[in-house]
Amino acid sequence: GNSVTQMEGPVTLSEEAFLTINCTYTATGYPSLFWYVQYPGEGLQLLLKATKADDKGSNKGFEATYRKETTSFHLEKGSVQVSDSAVYFCALRRGSQGNLIFGKGTKLSVKP
Amino acid sequence: DTEVTQTPKHLVMGMTNKKSLKCEQHMGHRAMYWYKQKAKKPPELMFVYSYEKLSINESVPSRFSPECPNSSLLNLHLHALQPEDSALYLCASSQDPQQGSYEQYFGPGTRLTVT
Repeated sequence: GNSVTQMEGPVTLSEEAFLTINCTYTATGYPSLFWYVQYPGEGLQLLLKATKADDKGSNKGFEATYRKETTSFHLEKGSVQVSDSAVYFCALRRGSQGNLIFGKGTKLSVKP
Repeated sequence: DTEVTQTPKHLVMGMTNKKSLKCEQHMGHRAMYWYKQKAKKPPELMFVYSYEKLSINESVPSRFSPECPNSSLLNLHLHALQPEDSALYLCASSQDPQQGSYEQYFGPGTRLTVT
């Protein structure tokens, strides 16, 4: 079946540190891949997406590259800010199936 | 405009009450979703509406009853809930239910507490 595995959190970084959150997936065919972010007390916001192999999604300094050979979609940011503190979810969606399949989420805390 | 709105923001209800959650989008999206999210967990899909017809019900108990009156509006009717139903209920929409590449846009959620 389809599944998403994210690195366990929480992740605690100092401001301006480099961020990597690992995400790997299992799926047949060619899923679309997404990163969503959830700030405390809020809904999910789409951060970035990639729809085919070697696509790079980017937004607000965050990047992730769809790697089919390693079935990965790792999230990176070169310099995190306190305002990036949130829970990050990796997700996939296949074709005509309606639902997103989420990883368990990774909580990021950035200290000044 | 990529906004999905949900009302109310917070809801406290007793186990014998009947209440409804409302979701609205004006992006012309033809797929709408209800998710349930417990604390420190990812969202879990409950229902999917595709072109205003229920297309997926993830074995949700009948005390949750969805309704899609038109392409912009999605309701979730609640009746005889249990305390374990307390959670954040998220609504989402996407452009085309048949295309997996289209992202889902989420509302801010309704925080439900069942007493």
